[in-house]
Amino acid sequence: DAKTTQPPSMDCAEGRAANLPCNHSTISGNEYVYWYRQIHSQGPQYIIHGLKNNETNEMASLIITEDRKSSTLILPHATLRDTAVYYCIVRDSFGNEKLTFGTGTRLTIIP
Amino acid sequence: DTGVSQDPRHKITKRGQNVTFRCDPISEHNRLYWYRQTLGQGPEFLTYFQNEAQLEKSRLLSDRFSAERPKGSFSTLEIQRTEQGDSAMYLCASSRNGKAYEQYFGPGTRLTVT
Repeated sequence: DAKTTQPPSMDCAEGRAANLPCNHSTISGNEYVYWYRQIHSQGPQYIIHGLKNNETNEMASLIITEDRKSSTLILPHATLRDTAVYYCIVRDSFGNEKLTFGTGTRLTIIP
Repeated sequence: DTGVSQDPRHKITKRGQNVTFRCDPISEHNRLYWYRQTLGQGPEFLTYFQNEAQLEKSRLLSDRFSAERPKGSFSTLEIQRTEQGDSAMYLCASSRNGKAYEQYFGPGTRLTVT
C-alpha cells in the first residue's frame, strides 16, 4: 500500500468547513483512498472512500486531484463532535483485507 | 445492527500472566479483524478471519499470540506470558463480504501489563 502524509494537527472553528489534506504521491492505479476517523476512547469509524472521482456522502466530501497524488477530506459544517483523529489510508482493494493506518491528523473543532 | 462488542474493556495483568479477550462482531459480518493500537499511533493490523478460517497474520503476531474464531461468530485473542510491551489497546473490527474497506470497530480492550 502506498504511503500517506498528513499534517499532525489542525484546528477549525465550529460551523466552518474543515479541510483535511493528505498526500499520497506514490499511489498506484488500482489503489483507493479511504478516510477513517477515531474519536477519543472509541474505535475508528469509516467515513468515505474514492478512486479518482470526487465523492460525497452524508458525513463528508472527498476531493481527489486529477493526478491522484493528493486528496482532501471536507467536513462542510464542523461541529464539536467532529473533534477526532482523521486517518487517510491508501489501499489496494484486490485481495487486501487489512487497513494500514498512519498517525493521522488530530482535528480540533474550536467553539 | 448492535455494533461490535469487546470484553473486557480494561484488563490489568502482571507480567508473565496469560490474558484472553473476546470480540463479538456484527451478526451478518463474515470477516473479523484484530488490530493493536499504542499511544499516539494508528491501529496496526494483527490478523483477520473469514468465517472460521484465519487467513492472514501480521509479523507483529508473535508465537505468544493466538486468535480463534471457532464457529465463525465471536473471536478470542489470547496473549500468553504477557510482557510490558504488550500494553496497548486491542481493537476488533468486522465487515461484510465484499466490503472489507468498511470495517466496523468495537470500543477496544485496553491492556496494561505491570
